[in-house]
Amino acid sequence: DAGVIQSPRHEVTEMGQEVTLRCKPISGHNSLFWYRQTMMRGLELLIYFNNNVPIDDSGMPEDRFSAKMPNASFSTLKIQPSEPRDSAVYFCASSFSQTNEKLFFGSGTQLSVL
Amino acid sequence: LAKTTQPISMDSYEGQEVNITCSHNNIATNDYITWYQQFPSQGPRFIIQGYKTKVTNEVASLFIPADRKSSTLSLPRVSLSDTAVYYCLVGPLSDYKLSFGAGTTVTVRA
Repeated sequence: DAGVIQSPRHEVTEMGQEVTLRCKPISGHNSLFWYRQTMMRGLELLIYFNNNVPIDDSGMPEDRFSAKMPNASFSTLKIQPSEPRDSAVYFCASSFSQTNEKLFFGSGTQLSVL
Repeated sequence: LAKTTQPISMDSYEGQEVNITCSHNNIATNDYITWYQQFPSQGPRFIIQGYKTKVTNEVASLFIPADRKSSTLSLPRVSLSDTAVYYCLVGPLSDYKLSFGAGTTVTVRA
């Protein structure tokens, strides 16, 4: 298996633009997580999906952030409009169960909002 | 959730054994201890998970004393490629919101 695949690897955009980050989880995994990592705040859980359904989005910072999982093999995290403070590395992770037994992370998307 | 404390950084040399201790004084009965490794520009990678005593795999060993108030991740004979941030997470397997914290930055020198 290729692991969790994220795209793009890097994204540079200007403030106010819409940004869409993509994630393909490992086949057969039924849980998907979006995290954000910054030097100041470390790794933060943004949203958790189980069987394509959003279970917990309490970590989404504000309404500018939205996430979808239209099917078991694809998820998006959208920021509209983007702001400089959104600059961070965004990770997608998947797991086989609803537990924290073993998360598989993608390589992340480095987002820079100018 | 059990709060964890681990050193901010550790230095080592190639070929040495590295032991990282994580303190979790208020660990609960149903909590497990999980360690992840993160290389620069990559996502965290699961290393090992345990509940009590000792767990060993091809990457590391995890030592958990009887009172479970701390745990030690042991990396045998490290190489330069083991330079990474190591995170200790404590919580029930049912909890998907475990905190990664700041982790321990391990630097291996030649």
